[in-house]
Amino acid sequence: EVQLVESGGGLIQPGGSLRVSCAASGFSVSSNYMSWVRQAPGKGLEWVSVIYTGGGTYYADSVKGRFTISRDNSKNTLYLQMNSLRAEDTAVYYCARDLEDSGAVWGQGTTVTVSS
Amino acid sequence: QSALTQPASVSGSPGQSITISCTGTSSDVGTYNLVSWYQQHPGKAPKLMISEVSKRPSGVSNRFSGSKSDSTASLTISGLQAEDEADYYCCSYAGSSTYVIFGGGTKLTVL
Repeated sequence: EVQLVESGGGLIQPGGSLRVSCAASGFSVSSNYMSWVRQAPGKGLEWVSVIYTGGGTYYADSVKGRFTISRDNSKNTLYLQMNSLRAEDTAVYYCARDLEDSGAVWGQGTTVTVSS
Repeated sequence: QSALTQPASVSGSPGQSITISCTGTSSDVGTYNLVSWYQQHPGKAPKLMISEVSKRPSGVSNRFSGSKSDSTASLTISGLQAEDEADYYCCSYAGSSTYVIFGGGTKLTVL
């Protein structure tokens, strides 16, 4: 069964760092376009970052320079390293596969709260 | 890039049909036949309802259909049921660097 399970969310102070993870099963993260999407409380969905099969990475302007997407093929896991966190980064963070086509799969999300 | 444009809310009575529009530009919806629609109930992850403009994943009711004309995509739900009440988001591929853009979301109320 194809599945994505996020973990690592929590409460973090402004300016802090946090790494969230997404463990994949039933397919290889290295063979698909893997993304992070977030949803702030009461708001809509916002694409955050993508890592392509070739390793190329791209980011939304709102997180560029602060967030880093990566994957560990041996662990079949996707990561999002978040630095210099701000209150506006508070959201549920979802990992997803192949958002652009019929192969799209989403995880259940992990909550990140940035607050003092 | 700016979010795709969706109506904030739509409503309909059980059994009726409704259509939700999603307007983009020539850089996204207008160029690529890679528009998806998601249904999201409160506290739940988004669920894929339509992919690649009009493809329906296995298990999704045939009451859901999608289409596209120029830079506007549409989701039609026929025979409205109470369980269709949810938020709906469109999503379009927008090129390798932007990847995907989401619409602002539409709240569907079943009266």
